[in-house]
Amino acid sequence: QSVLTQPPSVSAAPGQKVTISCSGSSSNIGDNYVSWYQQLPGTAPKLLIYENHKRPSGIPDRFSGSKSGTSATLGITGLQTGDEADYYCGTWDDSLSAGVFGGGTKLTVL
Amino acid sequence: QLQLQESGPGLVKPSETLSLTCTVSGGSTSSRSYCWGWIRQPPGKGLEWIGCIYNAGSTFYDPSLKSRVTISVDTSNNQFSLKVRSVTAADTAVYYCARWVGGFEYLDYWGQGTLVTVSS
Repeated sequence: QSVLTQPPSVSAAPGQKVTISCSGSSSNIGDNYVSWYQQLPGTAPKLLIYENHKRPSGIPDRFSGSKSGTSATLGITGLQTGDEADYYCGTWDDSLSAGVFGGGTKLTVL
Repeated sequence: QLQLQESGPGLVKPSETLSLTCTVSGGSTSSRSYCWGWIRQPPGKGLEWIGCIYNAGSTFYDPSLKSRVTISVDTSNNQFSLKVRSVTAADTAVYYCARWVGGFEYLDYWGQGTLVTVSS
């Protein structure tokens, strides 16, 4: 049972837009920055979004992040087949004094 | 460009201790700004945050693993290590080392991961 809640799966057609939600509480998302990670099949996770909405160098602006209260959202526009991956949200939990992840969301580009 | 590489046995017997090392290149484990961490992923499942250590020695562990886990840093060799005691099959996972940016709460560099199987 993950501390952060994500939908298990989302899907959309190529070229379309999709959003992935991440729900937490006041002790984690409500009080800390949220990050997002993309894990392509058989590879290590890669940082996609940090500090709620910032993109590391090399991450296209098709990927966006936002946070409101105790929830965060990852948005992906102009979907490509290469975007098929598992996506995880993460943050710090003040009550646990530990990092926490969501359970992951599998994106299928139909 | 910072690089991290995990190393250690791929097979551990139940009740024994799992030991992994992460070697850092292109950067220093002496940096006070970062928490050097471990994350694991059981087969077919999601990511689990294990813990991390700052250069000054402060450590943070997931509460569910805290009693069995120790993370240490060796700045002279630019490495940090993970030990998990009394392992069971539930500890079978791909183990990743990564750099945690404390205060901003994200993992910016990851190793490629190493599969550790617990089996007799």
